[in-house]
Amino acid sequence: AQSVTQLGSHVSVSEGALVLLRCNYSSSVPPYLFWYVQYPNQGLQLLLKYTSAATLVKGINGFEAEFKKSETSFHLTKPSAHMSDAAEYFCAVSDHSSYKLIFGSGTRLLVRP
Amino acid sequence: EAGVAQSPRYKIIEKRQSVAFWCNPISGHATLYWYQQILGQGPKLLIQFQNNGVVDDSQLPKDRFSAERLKGVDSTLKIQPAKLEDSAVYLCASSLDLAGGGQETQYFGPGTRLLVL
Repeated sequence: AQSVTQLGSHVSVSEGALVLLRCNYSSSVPPYLFWYVQYPNQGLQLLLKYTSAATLVKGINGFEAEFKKSETSFHLTKPSAHMSDAAEYFCAVSDHSSYKLIFGSGTRLLVRP
Repeated sequence: EAGVAQSPRYKIIEKRQSVAFWCNPISGHATLYWYQQILGQGPKLLIQFQNNGVVDDSQLPKDRFSAERLKGVDSTLKIQPAKLEDSAVYLCASSLDLAGGGQETQYFGPGTRLLVL
């Protein structure tokens, strides 16, 4: 069965610092992988997705993620954190049969001034 | 382009009462999903429709939860009777269709926050 593990339920960085949110997946076939962001009292918004084209995927708001098959990872990064990046971030893998999304437990990003 | 609409945004009920949530997907989207998001967890799929047919309802507690998608557009999710553990945010999402084989982007509504007392 496919699954997603997000290391660290909370990550705190200073404004301007590097953001690194970790995601590891479990899948027996090449996966489709997604990062979503959720602001308070809002739905989820797609940041970026990996669909087996380029391994380095660029998304919105300056975020990017690199698919590493050997490490079964899809970590999310941003070179310089902004206060507006404070939110909860979810990594997800697409199920092979129904194509439903299987989400990790999420990482809350806190940005310190 | 209008996004996914959900109502109500908030609902407070007592246990054993019934409740219904409504979702209007993005126009032209054939696939509709209902997710349950318990506080501190990622969303979990309850049911998935392709047009008005059910694709996956394996994690829907069918003794108390039901959902329908009449005419392949709007959808309602019902809980009857509600339990304390049903307190969660119920998210509706839609995507263009399943032809993309799982790489289609799912667009989420703002969710309905349910509190069962």
